[in-house]
Amino acid sequence: DIQMTQSPSSLSASVGDRVTITCRASQYISIYLNWYQQKPGKAPNLLIYATSSLQSGVPSRFSGSGSGTDFTLTISSLQPEDFATYYCQQSYHTPFTFGPGTKVDIK
Amino acid sequence: EVRLVESGAGLVQPGGSLRLSCAASGFTFSSYWMHWVRQAPGKGLVWVSRIKSDGSSTTYADSVKGRFTTSRDNAKNTLYLQMNNLRAEDTAIYYCARDSITGATSLDAWGQGTLVTVSS
Repeated sequence: DIQMTQSPSSLSASVGDRVTITCRASQYISIYLNWYQQKPGKAPNLLIYATSSLQSGVPSRFSGSGSGTDFTLTISSLQPEDFATYYCQQSYHTPFTFGPGTKVDIK
Repeated sequence: EVRLVESGAGLVQPGGSLRLSCAASGFTFSSYWMHWVRQAPGKGLVWVSRIKSDGSSTTYADSVKGRFTTSRDNAKNTLYLQMNNLRAEDTAIYYCARDSITGATSLDAWGQGTLVTVSS
């Protein structure tokens, strides 16, 4: 199975900050990397698919980059509604493993 | 509006069985592959299974293979997860999710989740 890691596991940031979360795959996954946001008690929500494609309805302050094994989710200017946990997921090969998550909270 | 609604939550003893349902509306259900994802309390997301749009093919995580069966009824717009020989480690919120039609798997719509508790 492809193992996914994320760093950091948590971070504290202020509204307006630029935030970067990194995801690494244990083997090559091309661009088959998705990002989800999950708020407490809610289902996950797709933000970015195929590394850098913004899901419809998602604000443009979210962006993704990378390829191969190393990927990044960037929030250009953190907003109050962005405080949540973020998960990466590889969709290169089943099982479609998720990263352990990065919790973003208020500094 | 795309809507996925899971049902079938419950408390079951180890070794028991449970069937979850996921009712879909607001889109052409029969055109989409569907997935189950679970999340143990306070933990991360774990992919469980996938089923092809016509139900002809399924894929499972090793942790549930041979115990769980994913199926669908496209006439009823409903996805199912039959869970047998349940273990304590199967305790989780179970989400059904739709696979987007982009050529690369991503889960673009999710249900609200249904809680399965395995305990004696």
